[in-house]
Amino acid sequence: DQQVKQNSPSLSVQEGRISILNCDYTNSMFDYFLWYKKYPAEGPTFLISISSIKDKNEDGRFTVFLNKSAKHLSLHIVPSQPGDSAVYFCAASETGSQGNLIFGKGTKLSVKP
Amino acid sequence: EAGVTQFPSHSVIEKGQTVTLRCDPISGHDNLYWYRRVMGKEIKFLLHFVKESKQDESGMPNNRFLAERTGGTYSTLKVQPAELEDSGVYFCASSRAGTGFGGYTFGSGTRLTVV
Repeated sequence: DQQVKQNSPSLSVQEGRISILNCDYTNSMFDYFLWYKKYPAEGPTFLISISSIKDKNEDGRFTVFLNKSAKHLSLHIVPSQPGDSAVYFCAASETGSQGNLIFGKGTKLSVKP
Repeated sequence: EAGVTQFPSHSVIEKGQTVTLRCDPISGHDNLYWYRRVMGKEIKFLLHFVKESKQDESGMPNNRFLAERTGGTYSTLKVQPAELEDSGVYFCASSRAGTGFGGYTFGSGTRLTVV
């Protein structure tokens, strides 16, 4: 049973607009969440993270929001650029998991010029 | 610094054959992880080395998979004998001790196809 769910396999957005990628989780023990970006034929690259003691973390054009009561997080990209086109993975972990990250299936973002 | 290197980048083998994947982590990274992504599914944890010791191998699918990390440097993942369901992309990642998950660096992966 999937513990981290990304229910949208794909998302298409116009350049300059906001991209919102969503992620839900089921394990209430998760206390650290990350977003990774992956281009074809490359490995995932760390983008941004958030600890469960926060509800928002911002880094430039990227903001992650965490709603613990709803077990939901989202990644906002503003403004979206064509170079942001990639697959975005949500990942989660719990303290003491020894480095075991639980990933979602990914959402393919296409930003159209 | 050089990144995490994996080879081969692609491998096509027949069912029942043996394949060995290699990962060279970033120099000085004690933590080494193996993950696998089956087509269209999530990236799944396989195991975690700290130096040469297996810290967590709870994600290894079965005893056809054998991972080693000789001398705490490079790591190999051997599949013997390979089955069709082993097809997927195998990723290796490494990190320094104490850097947390944000310090993970992934390699480009090995795409394994079992026919």
